Amino acid sequence: AQKITQTQPGMFVQEKEAVTLDCTYDTSDPSYGLFWYKQPSSGEMIFLIYQGSYDQQNATEGRYSLNFQKARKSANLVISASQLGDSAMYFCAMREGSETSGSRLTFGEGTQLTVNP
Amino acid sequence: GAGVSQSPRYKVAKRGQDVALRCDPISGHVSLFWYQQALGQGPEFLTYFQNEAQLDKSGLPSDRFFAERPEGSVSTLKIQRTQQEDSAVYLCASSLGPRYNSPLHFGNGTRLTVT
Repeated sequence: AQKITQTQPGMFVQEKEAVTLDCTYDTSDPSYGLFWYKQPSSGEMIFLIYQGSYDQQNATEGRYSLNFQKARKSANLVISASQLGDSAMYFCAMREGSETSGSRLTFGEGTQLTVNP
Repeated sequence: GAGVSQSPRYKVAKRGQDVALRCDPISGHVSLFWYQQALGQGPEFLTYFQNEAQLDKSGLPSDRFFAERPEGSVSTLKIQRTQQEDSAVYLCASSLGPRYNSPLHFGNGTRLTVT
């Protein structure tokens, strides 16, 4: 089974508007971390935001916020006031706490976001 | 340096050649990972080191792939007898520790093209 599912291969948003990128995950581990990364066309993988499984509040980092719904196993990324520079591929990823997982980060397939002027 | 450094940035190899990709992690980061990323897809896990110990190599696609981190710092990913299907971007990442709440920080990757 897929551990991380991103159902939106591509998304479009108008500059200055907000956009939500969807992510659902699957784990039986009670301890896990959820991450979002941005990958522009230049190729670097940029860490944006982290949410822990025990965190009571949704994570926020500047214009990025994470809508964490634990019961639904979803961790959607919300980008407010979109900018042209936000155009990139966005990956949702999970790191599980169990020793057997090897601490690896497991990625979804990504969502290509395009911000239109 | 401040971030994860990978070299070379680009590598072109003829089919059958051996290649070596280098990763210099963030100073003090215990955990080091190698990932393979095909065009338009998410990165796929290859192998994981905690200090100098290779704790997980379950993602290495064949025995032509070998990774080492002998002194717990710089790591090298070696691919022997390269094949066309090895063409991809190879990403190295490091994290402060192995716990689930420690984010991975990635280098810019090495784009390998096998002709």
